Amino acid sequence: AQSVSQHNHHVILSEAASLELGCNYSYGGTVNLFWYVQYPGQHLQLLLKYFSGDPLVKGIKGFEAEFIKSKFSFNLRKPSVQWSDTAEYFCAVTRTGFQKLVFGTGTRLLVSP
Amino acid sequence: SAVISQKPSRDICQRGTSLTIQCQVDSQVTMMFWYRQQPGQSLTLIATANQGSEATYESGFVIDKFPISRPNLTFSTLTVSNMSPEDSSIYLCSVEDQGGHEQFFGPGTRLTVL
Repeated sequence: AQSVSQHNHHVILSEAASLELGCNYSYGGTVNLFWYVQYPGQHLQLLLKYFSGDPLVKGIKGFEAEFIKSKFSFNLRKPSVQWSDTAEYFCAVTRTGFQKLVFGTGTRLLVSP
Repeated sequence: SAVISQKPSRDICQRGTSLTIQCQVDSQVTMMFWYRQQPGQSLTLIATANQGSEATYESGFVIDKFPISRPNLTFSTLTVSNMSPEDSSIYLCSVEDQGGHEQFFGPGTRLTVL
């Protein structure tokens, strides 16, 4: 069965530190990849997505992610975090042509001012 | 992007009762989805609801426990039946955009079963 692993469950950073959140998936076929974010008290919203093309994708708020097919990874990065980035981050995968989103367990990021 | 609302936003229910959660979208959509997020866990798809057809349930979820209605292209309900404390979760609905490229999520319904 398809699965998604996020190895960092809780991350604490100071403002201006760099961020990298790991995401690995288990499916060997063609996939679509997503990072969602949930800010405190708000809806899940899409940060960025990868369907095809350039494996380095840029999303909102300065986030980016790199798809490395050989490593089955889609890590999320931001060079300099802000206090407002405090949120829970979810990696998700669908098989191309299917709608079912499979989510990772999420990473809670706390950025201290 | 679609704007999704859910009612109720939260509820506390007694064991053995049922709760119906409503999901309303501000535009017509083909695909609607219901997810569950149990405490400390990730989101898990319960079922896919298409208008005019029976919902399609994922492994581990059955219609008797989670009946779903989809009467039109902007509305769906999920009922959590005969609740037990293990049903305490956040229940979220989502919809797929017209291009089928991403899903938009509602604010969720936080359910606590005593």
